[in-house]
Amino acid sequence: AQRVTQPEKLLSVFKGAPVELKCNYSYSGSPELFWYVQYSRQRLQLLLRHISRESIKGFTADLNKGETSFHLKKPFAQEEDSAMYYCALNGGATNKLIFGTGTLLAVQP
Amino acid sequence: GAGVSQSPSNKVTEKGKDVELRCDPISGHTALYWYRQRLGQGLEFLIYFQGNSAPDKSGLPSDRFSAERTGESVSTLTIQRTQQEDSAVYLCASSAGTSLNNEQFFGPGTRLTVL
Repeated sequence: AQRVTQPEKLLSVFKGAPVELKCNYSYSGSPELFWYVQYSRQRLQLLLRHISRESIKGFTADLNKGETSFHLKKPFAQEEDSAMYYCALNGGATNKLIFGTGTLLAVQP
Repeated sequence: GAGVSQSPSNKVTEKGKDVELRCDPISGHTALYWYRQRLGQGLEFLIYFQGNSAPDKSGLPSDRFSAERTGESVSTLTIQRTQQEDSAVYLCASSAGTSLNNEQFFGPGTRLTVL
């Protein structure tokens, strides 16, 4: 079955501390994974996708097929990073997305 | 240009009533998706449109749910005889196509509350 698991509902860190938001997936084929972010009172938006191998706003994520993980990392958290983060998996030919339950990142000053 | 828009932003209804939720995708986007998010849960896929046909309806939870789309434009999601478990935020997204480079752009959502 296709599934995305985000084990942490809330992650609270201090400004300047490293951040790692965990994501594990279950998928029988070759997975395509994404991180979406929702800032307060804004709509859901794409943060990054693994096929681009890019760094956005200092965040990176590496696909680890052996551990079936796609953890989101940032070396130094900023207050403006506080938001809800969702890991998502491409669910097939139609590109429908399968989402995890999300992790709320709170960066304290 | 304008992003994806949805209306209404909030809808409160009584159990058993029918509701219609509307999505206006980004102009020119051929692919349209409906998702819902119940409290404490992730987004669940409901239905996918390519143009005005729906090749994937696998996420619709029951036959009380239906959706249609006019050409490559507006889509409406209809829920008949609403139940309390239908309370959720309903999100619409559109993309220029279905290749992996086509980003899905989300609307602001409609918050449905069934009393």
